[in-house]
Amino acid sequence: EVQLVESGGGLVQPGGSLRLACAASGFTFSSYAMNWVRQAPGKGLEWVSGISGNGGSTYYADSVKGRFTVSRDNSKNTLYLQINSLRAEDTAVYYCAKVWYDRGLDHWGQGTLVTVSS
Amino acid sequence: AIRVTQSPSSLSASIGDRVTITCRASQAISSYLAWYQQKPGKAPNLVIYTASTLRSGVPSRFSGSGSGTDFTLTISSLQSEDFATYFCQQYSDYPLTFGGGTKVEIK
Repeated sequence: EVQLVESGGGLVQPGGSLRLACAASGFTFSSYAMNWVRQAPGKGLEWVSGISGNGGSTYYADSVKGRFTVSRDNSKNTLYLQINSLRAEDTAVYYCAKVWYDRGLDHWGQGTLVTVSS
Repeated sequence: AIRVTQSPSSLSASIGDRVTITCRASQAISSYLAWYQQKPGKAPNLVIYTASTLRSGVPSRFSGSGSGTDFTLTISSLQSEDFATYFCQQYSDYPLTFGGGTKVEIK
């Protein structure tokens, strides 16, 4: 059974940093691209970042480019999102999601809440 | 970036109604469109991929159609468990983009 478990969220002051993690199990982690998607309270889904299976290619939304860094450790079956220079508008639930080749995002974690506030 | 415009943003319907949600991409994306269902407090769930392929385990009352720029999600006979918010997403190119969502509420 595929499982994705996010961690690392919390309350952080504007300008602060956090490192989110997504522990994966139940599939060959290194064979699949992974994405981060966020959802601000009461709002829609916003794609944040993606990374290829071997980590060689990374992608970012314009809204986070230069502040967020996606990475993965295939030996630990873990996906990461380093988020720096946090702003109030980064407040959201952050989901990691597995890319099912050319079929969309087929498995999602339960999400981790990041709250940016002074 | 490819923009995806979803409509309506909300709708009210009754059990048994036929419901249609549309998404329009700002440029052609072939069939690289997915539909997700999200219930309150839960992560989204993939329902349809490549515009019209029903994910295994999803009831056959759900269907998708379209290619290029115009896409449709149809629920042929709305059931109580279908009341949720639906999102479309293009995955033709990065950055991936989602539609704004359609909240399907009980009339």
